[in-house]
Amino acid sequence: GEDVEQSLFLSVREGDSSVINCTYTDSSSTYLYWYKQEPGAGLQLLTYIFSNMDMKQDQRLTVLLNKKDKHLSLRIADTQTGDSAIYFCAERGTPLVFGKGTRLSVIA
Amino acid sequence: DTGVSQNPRHKITKRGQNVTFRCDPISEHNRLYWYRQTLGQGPEFLTYFQNEAQLEKSRLLSDRFSAERPKGSFSTLEIQRTEQGDSAMYLCASSLGNSGVYNEQFFGPGTRLTVL
Repeated sequence: GEDVEQSLFLSVREGDSSVINCTYTDSSSTYLYWYKQEPGAGLQLLTYIFSNMDMKQDQRLTVLLNKKDKHLSLRIADTQTGDSAIYFCAERGTPLVFGKGTRLSVIA
Repeated sequence: DTGVSQNPRHKITKRGQNVTFRCDPISEHNRLYWYRQTLGQGPEFLTYFQNEAQLEKSRLLSDRFSAERPKGSFSTLEIQRTEQGDSAMYLCASSLGNSGVYNEQFFGPGTRLTVL
């Protein structure tokens, strides 16, 4: 079955890099996504990666995909206090399958 | 504002009452999804529509839950005889459908339900 696992908490200092990790089980996933959820708000798509890619960079965001290990990571460079939020990894499907989310706290 | 909107944003009800939530998707989107999110969890899929057709409803949590999208535009999610365990955030999302390989779902702000 489908399952997405994430670590629940991450705390970093402002200006450092953050790395949020995710493992998934569905090897047929064609797209993998990272969503951001701020308090009291819906989910915002941050970035995605297609399964035939190993890496995707988008400004401060870098996504790495290891298909063999079914491991996905999101690196946020120069983390700012505005990056404090919950980050969800999701596999493409109808429906999307989400992990439980990683709460990122940025310490000024 | 051309994003996904949901009403009400907050709903407090007593156990046993019925509640109905509304979602207005982005106007050109033909797919509409409902998810439930409980504290400390990711969104959990409930059901989705393509236009007015409900294509998947086996994930609705019980027969107390039902959804409609009568004209293929807005949708409603109804919970009958609410229970305290129904307290959660109910999220709606919409997308253009599988017209391309990339099918971004845009989420609304959610309706937070509290059952007393």
